[in-house]
Amino acid sequence: DIQMTQSPSSLSASVGDRVTITCRASQTINKYLNWYQQKPGEAPKLLISATSSLRSGVPSRFSGSGSGTDFTLTISSLQPEDFATYYCQQSYNVPRTFGPGTKVDIK
Amino acid sequence: EEQLVESGGGLIQPGGSLRLSCVGSGFTFSDYAMSWVRQAPGKGLEWVSGISGSGGSPFYVDSVKGRFTVSRDNSKNTVYLQMNKLRADDTAVYYCAKDSTAFLYSSREFDPWGQGALVSVSS
Repeated sequence: DIQMTQSPSSLSASVGDRVTITCRASQTINKYLNWYQQKPGEAPKLLISATSSLRSGVPSRFSGSGSGTDFTLTISSLQPEDFATYYCQQSYNVPRTFGPGTKVDIK
Repeated sequence: EEQLVESGGGLIQPGGSLRLSCVGSGFTFSDYAMSWVRQAPGKGLEWVSGISGSGGSPFYVDSVKGRFTVSRDNSKNTVYLQMNKLRADDTAVYYCAKDSTAFLYSSREFDPWGQGALVSVSS
């Protein structure tokens, strides 16, 4: 199975900050990397698919980049509604595996 | 709007059985594979099972093989997860999610997700 890691595991940031979350795969996954946002008590929501494709309705302050084994989710200017846990997930092969998550909270 | 609604969760004793259901709406149900993803309390996400749009090619994570069975009834827009021989470490919120293709193993993302069904295994 492909192992996914994320860093940091948590971070504290202020509204307006630029936030970067890193995801690493244990082997190459080409571009097959998705990002999900989960708020407390809610289901995960797909933000970005295939490394950098922003899903419909997702604000443009979110962006994704990377290839191979190393990927990044960037929030250009953190907004109050962005405080949540973010998960990366590889869809290169089965089983689909998720990273452990990065919790973004208010500084 | 695409929507998924799960039901069937609850408190069950170790060794017991439970069946989760997930009804989809707002899309042609049979055109998409469907998956189950679980989240233990305070933990991350784990893909547990999935099934292609035709009802074939099921997938199970190793920890549930031989105990869980995924199925679907496309006439009812419903996917099921039959869970037998439940253990304490099966305690989790179980989400159903729509895959991006009809064939499970070609799917690239889960979108959308249902609201989740809580399964608690405890004596």
